Amino acid sequence: NAGVTQTPKFQVLKTGQSMTLQCAQDMNHEYMSWYRQDPGMGLRLIHYSVGAGITDQGEVPNGYNVSRSTTEDFPLRLLSAAPSQTSVYFCASSLKGGGGQPQHFGDGTRLSIL
Amino acid sequence: RKEVEQDPGPFNVPEGATVAFNCTYSNSASQSFFWYRQDCRKEPKLLMSVYSSGNEDGRFTAQLNRASQYISLLIRDSKLSDSATYLCVVNVGGGFKTIFGAGTRLFVKA
Repeated sequence: NAGVTQTPKFQVLKTGQSMTLQCAQDMNHEYMSWYRQDPGMGLRLIHYSVGAGITDQGEVPNGYNVSRSTTEDFPLRLLSAAPSQTSVYFCASSLKGGGGQPQHFGDGTRLSIL
Repeated sequence: RKEVEQDPGPFNVPEGATVAFNCTYSNSASQSFFWYRQDCRKEPKLLMSVYSSGNEDGRFTAQLNRASQYISLLIRDSKLSDSATYLCVVNVGGGFKTIFGAGTRLFVKA
C-alpha cells in the first residue's frame, strides 16, 4: 500500500550541482505532477504528465526537466542547482488528469541549495 | 493578482466553534474545485471536492459560487485535531493544471 513514494526525503546541494528527485506510484495512475512549496506561496506546479511519454510545463518550469518513460515513474531533474530552488518538493498522482480527480501526494523532499 | 486567493489567517478558535474559510479564484474557465488539508511539514491531503450544489461531509460543508468565483469551507463543532492549514485548490487548463491557494492556518484551542 505504498501510494506515491518520493526519494530522497532530505538533500543538501551546492550551487551548480545537479540531481534527480525520484517519484514512483503503484496505483496505475495516468496523471503525475511535481510541485514546489515555499513559505507564504502555496504549492506551485512545476511540470506534469498525462501519461507515459507525455509531459508539459506548469507554472514554474525553468531550471527543471522531467521525463515519463513508464506509468509508474516521474523523476524531476535539477540541471544546475541555484539557491532559489531551495524548497519542499511534492510529487502527486491522480487516476486521470482533466479535472474532477483528487491528487495523492508523496511525503515530500526537503531540498536546500547552499 | 494571484489566481487563487485565501485569507492566510491564522484563525484561532476554541473547541466547539464554527469557523468559515473563503477563497476566490480569477479564472472563469476553472473546472473543478477542492479543499485540501495540510498538517505541519506533511503532504496535502484531500478534504473534500466542491460542487455548485454545495456538499457536506460530517462537520464540513463546502460551497461554490461560480458567478462570484468564490469557494467556502465551513467547519462546525471544531476539534483540536482540525488544527491545520486548509488549501483551496482549482483546476484550470482543461483540468490538467492545478492551482493551489497559499492556505489558511487554523488553530483550535482547548
